[in-house]
Parts: sequence; structure tokens; C-alpha cells
Amino acid sequence: QKEVEQNSGPLSVPEGAIASLNCTYSDRGSQSFFWYRQYSGKSPELIMFIYSNGDKEDGRFTAQLNKASQYVSLLIRDSQPSDSATYLCASEYGNKLVFGAGTILRVKS
Amino acid sequence: KAGVTQTPRYLIKTRGQQVTLSCSPISGHRSVSWYQQTPGQGLQFLFEYFSETQRNKGNFPGRFSGRQFSNSRSEMNVSTLELGDSALYLCASSLGRSGANVLTFGAGSRLTVL
Repeated sequence: QKEVEQNSGPLSVPEGAIASLNCTYSDRGSQSFFWYRQYSGKSPELIMFIYSNGDKEDGRFTAQLNKASQYVSLLIRDSQPSDSATYLCASEYGNKLVFGAGTILRVKS
Repeated sequence: KAGVTQTPRYLIKTRGQQVTLSCSPISGHRSVSWYQQTPGQGLQFLFEYFSETQRNKGNFPGRFSGRQFSNSRSEMNVSTLELGDSALYLCASSLGRSGANVLTFGAGSRLTVL
């Protein structure tokens, strides 16, 4: 069973802090990884994706991939109350995305 | 550019009935994936279609079926509804030949089974 594991949270951080969200995956053959954000009552929206080992930055967001450790993370700098949402990690398995259960992030002002 | 459109947005059915959900992908997107989202199970993959062919299917019973038309629009059907089928059904489309390319989700169809 291919799995993507995330801590369900909630993860609470103060406004302006760095939020660190983590994800592990079970299939070493997986090549691409995605982070989606889902606000309550809304559908998931893509934040960013990463294919290569190392870091990928996009504005306040940085995705980190370590294939040896089968570990993906998302850092959110200068967290804002509007970042409060559920963050879904997904891994590609044979032409489909498998999602983790999501981590609830709460940014307190 | 229009996004992924799902209809209906909300529906209520009773056990034993069947339901058909529709999804229109972003123009030019040929891959359509369906997911079921529940509080307990999260996002579960149902199936993926490309050029009218089902390329992938998740671990759901045969009561769940789907199809894709030549214009890339897709439908999914659930027959003999059970209480546990109450969920948000999400459709997502992608540009690439693989369902694992970047997915853009529709707003979802929320199904309640009484």
C-alpha cells in the first residue's frame, strides 16, 4: 500500500513565524511531490511541486525534498492568519496522486 | 479561462438510489481524475481518465464507475448508494498525459446519503 503520512496537527504558530510542515512517503520510486492548501469548505489548490532533491522556493514558501530519507517538507515564512488552512502533501504513484491526510495549520495574530 | 466545473454542487439522496456527477475540465486538459474526500479518510483516489480511457482505478467497489467523453468531460456514477458514500467528490483536470501532473480541482459535489 503506497502511503503518504502527515501529522494531522493542529500546528499553531504566531503571526510572522515560520511554519514547518512535514510529510513522509513509502514508495522510493515516486518522483514528484506536491503541496496543496485547502481552506475549510473549499477545494484543494496547488501551492507548489518539487521533483528534485533539495529546496525550491516560491515567495514565502519553500519546499524541501530528501529522497534518501523519503521526506518532503513545506516551510512558510512570515506566516499570516490567511495561511490558516489544511495543507495536503501528495506523491505521484503511477499516473495518480496519493494524498496524505493533511496537516491543519493555525496562525494566531 | 474557466476552471474545472462540477455539477451539481450539492445533492441529497437516499440509500439504494444512484447518482451521476459531472465534471468539465479546463479547456485543453485531457486528463480527469476523481477523488472522494471524507473527514475520516481524507482524499481517496477513485479513477483517472485520459482520451476516454480509464488508466487508473482506486480501491473502490464496482458501484463506483465513470466515463469520459470525446470533449474530455467526465461523469462518475455511484449505484446502490450507502450511507458511507456521503462525501465531497472532487474532480481534477491536468494538462499532461499523466494524472500525476499538476492537478486543478473543481469546487466539488457534496453528496449526502440519508
